[in-house]
Amino acid sequence: EIVMTQSPGTLSVSPGERATLSCRASQTISSNLAWYQQKPGQAPRLLIYDASTRAPGIPARFSGSGSGTGFTLTISSLQSEDFAVYYCQQYDYYYTFGQGTKLQVK
Amino acid sequence: QVHLMESGGGFIKPGESLRLSCIASGFTFSDHYMAWIRQTPGKGLEWLSYINTNGRSIYYADSVRGRVTISRDDAKNSLYLQMNSLRAEDTAVYYCARGGKSSLKDFDYWGQGTLVTVSS
Repeated sequence: EIVMTQSPGTLSVSPGERATLSCRASQTISSNLAWYQQKPGQAPRLLIYDASTRAPGIPARFSGSGSGTGFTLTISSLQSEDFAVYYCQQYDYYYTFGQGTKLQVK
Repeated sequence: QVHLMESGGGFIKPGESLRLSCIASGFTFSDHYMAWIRQTPGKGLEWLSYINTNGRSIYYADSVRGRVTISRDDAKNSLYLQMNSLRAEDTAVYYCARGGKSSLKDFDYWGQGTLVTVSS
């Protein structure tokens, strides 16, 4: 099983600032990575796929980068609606998710 | 507008069975791979199973293989998950999710989830 490890567990950032979230795979997964946002009581929402491609309707302030084993989700200027939990997911070999990073208001 | 809605969750005893359903709308259901994913506070998000467009390619996670069966009925735009011999650790919110047309990579739409609680 490919283990996905996200860091930090919780990230405190002020609105308008940049947030950088990390995801590491236990083995190389090329660019076979997606990012999701989940708000309380809601299902996850796809943000990024193929490591760096924004899903339809996702604002340009969300960007993804990385390949191999290290990946980053960057939110360039945080809006109030961006405070949520973020998950990475690999699809190189079956499907596994990271444990999530909670992005909270500083 | 793509919409997925799960049903069938509830409170059941260990060893019992349950069938979850997911009805889809807003897209051509038969064109897409579909999957079941569950979420618990302890283990987080866990992919369980997927089925391809013609129903002939099915995969299960090790954690549920032999206890669950995924199926689809394209005429009813519906996806199912039959779960048997349920255990306390199967307690979770169960989501159906949409995959791609020719493969399953990311999950681009999810239902709102249905809660399954397994307890004596």
